[in-house]
Amino acid sequence: EVQLVESGGALVQPGLSLRLSCTPSGFTFGDYAMGWVRQAPGKGLEWVTFIRSKGYGGTTEYAASVKGRFTISRDDSQSIAYLQMSSLKTEDTAVYYCARIGNSESYYFDFWGQGTLVTVSS
Amino acid sequence: QSALTQPASVSGSPGQSITISCTGTSSDVGGYNFVSWYQQYPGKAPKLIIYDVSNRPSGVSNRFSGSKSGNTASLTISGLQAEDEGDYYCSSYTSSNTGVFGGGTKLTVL
Repeated sequence: EVQLVESGGALVQPGLSLRLSCTPSGFTFGDYAMGWVRQAPGKGLEWVTFIRSKGYGGTTEYAASVKGRFTISRDDSQSIAYLQMSSLKTEDTAVYYCARIGNSESYYFDFWGQGTLVTVSS
Repeated sequence: QSALTQPASVSGSPGQSITISCTGTSSDVGGYNFVSWYQQYPGKAPKLIIYDVSNRPSGVSNRFSGSKSGNTASLTISGLQAEDEGDYYCSSYTSSNTGVFGGGTKLTVL
């Protein structure tokens, strides 16, 4: 059974940094691209970032709203994905979901974690 | 990248069919067959129900179907059931190599 578990969400002050982790199970992590999607309280989904599998170059893409502040990475040897968030703003407050991209030739998220809450506030 | 445009809400009675539209541009919906749809219940993670415009993942009811014409994708739910009530989001790949979601549609089963 495919499972994704996020951790690392917290209350953090504006301007500071935070790292989220995504621990998968039930599939060969290195074979899949992984992404992060966020949802502000009471709002819709926002695509944040994804990282391709090493077989597809391990390259990354970012939404304009986080580019230059957020960094996605992966450690295939430990089967874990990270989202490093810096220079956090109040508008980054959201539930952050880790999700697997179902097909290296496509861009849909087929499995999602339960989410971890990041609150940016002074 | 602007969010894709979805109606804020739709409603229907049990047994009826409803369609949710998702309008983008030639740089996203119209340019690629990489449209996906997600169902979300309050307080829960989204669930994939349609991928690559019209494909259903294993285990998803065949009452859900997807299509696309030009810059607009559509999700149709036939034989509406009470359990279908929730929020629905479309998503598309974009020419910027990123993804984009729609604003979401709240489905109410009357």
